[in-house]
Amino acid sequence: DTGVSQNPRHKITKRGQNVTFRCDPISEHNRLYWYRQTLGQGPEFLTYFQNEAQLEKSRLLSDRFSAERPKGSFSTLEIQRTEQGDSAMYLCASRERGPTGDTGELFFGEGSRLTVL
Amino acid sequence: AQSVTQPDIHITVSEGASLELRCNYSYGATPYLFWYVQSPGQGLQLLLKYFSGDTLVQGIKGFEAEFKRSQSSFNLRKPSVHWSDAAEYFCAVAPGTGGSYIPTFGRGTSLIVHP
Repeated sequence: DTGVSQNPRHKITKRGQNVTFRCDPISEHNRLYWYRQTLGQGPEFLTYFQNEAQLEKSRLLSDRFSAERPKGSFSTLEIQRTEQGDSAMYLCASRERGPTGDTGELFFGEGSRLTVL
Repeated sequence: AQSVTQPDIHITVSEGASLELRCNYSYGATPYLFWYVQSPGQGLQLLLKYFSGDTLVQGIKGFEAEFKRSQSSFNLRKPSVHWSDAAEYFCAVAPGTGGSYIPTFGRGTSLIVHP
């Protein structure tokens, strides 16, 4: 397995258009996270899946954002009616559940950079 | 909820000099702590982690970090910096017990290395 894969790596779109990003986690990892990172900032949590269940959503995730993880494998993050403020790097990460419970580090993909014109 | 403070936005060092990047966290119990590195346009790579046990942890690329509970700190160190270490460094904290396992990241410290 080569790690967490994200595509597209770069997306340029016009304001008002919809965009979708895909994340393929490490195959044995059942936890999947989406973070957003803007210039000069650290990653900010957006949402979190355990298998196919979306367990947590940040207040940053407005109604225009939706994430899915059908069958507990890959995940998609869709942004509808994009705004210039949505321009950011969208990072996906995955991890496995540790033997004693929730533990372990996140493994990150290389991110999908969105530019909204 | 946990939080992380990285007080230094930029750090400039000369190649071969020692390095210390500061990280302070806020969490009520024993946290899980991480340092990640990010090169421009790339994702985050784990340098090291602390879950329990020895408070001095060794990581990749010659980095180490020390967990000091009394100071709520997890500072990253390297005895001799290489030009290839220039990057953005992020400290992160996750709840060790209870709550949803959602790591929180600091805003990062940008490391500049002079030849």
